[in-house]
Amino acid sequence: AQSVTQLGSHVSVSEGALVLLRCNYSSSVPPYLFWYVQYPNQGLQLLLKYTTGATLVKGINGFEAEFKKSETSFHLTKPSAHMSDAAEYFCAVSLSGGYNKLIFGAGTRLAVHP
Amino acid sequence: DADVTQTPRNRITKTGKRIMLECSQTKGHDRMYWYRQDPGLGLRLIYYSFDVKDINKGEISDGYSVSRQAQAKFSLSLESAIPNQTALYFCATSDLTGELFFGEGSRLTVL
Repeated sequence: AQSVTQLGSHVSVSEGALVLLRCNYSSSVPPYLFWYVQYPNQGLQLLLKYTTGATLVKGINGFEAEFKKSETSFHLTKPSAHMSDAAEYFCAVSLSGGYNKLIFGAGTRLAVHP
Repeated sequence: DADVTQTPRNRITKTGKRIMLECSQTKGHDRMYWYRQDPGLGLRLIYYSFDVKDINKGEISDGYSVSRQAQAKFSLSLESAIPNQTALYFCATSDLTGELFFGEGSRLTVL
């Protein structure tokens, strides 16, 4: 069975600083990997996803993530944080091959301070 | 209009009452899901449906039931609500990669 671990339930950065949100997964077959963002009082929206191909994936709002099979990781980064990035971020994994339910991590709340 | 629409958006009810949360989608996806969100626990899957005739339990289905009335409609029922079912509920659809498209959520409070 697959699972997702997000390290750090809360992360705080200064505006302009690097954002790094950590995600490790376990999966018995090649995974599909996702990052979703949830702004206050809203639903979740997709930031980026990895299915196959290039392991460095670029998403919306300047975020990117790299699939590292050897480390079973899919960490989310952004070079320079903006105040509007304050939100909760969820990593999720599904199984490739057509059978898929997303399994979510517990989430990381990102705070950005001036 | 939103691709995935949930009603009601907010509901306060009392213990023991029957509650139905409704979801409709215009994505044309066969796959639909109900998730529950609680602080610190992420999203947990309640039920999912891969087509109209296919209904499956998720990790926390006890106390819930669902009905897939059509490809576009998937409703979640709490037959007898209890306080620990107070949560934010999300309906979602997915494409074949599993990418989820979420509604805006239904906040349920059980007193």
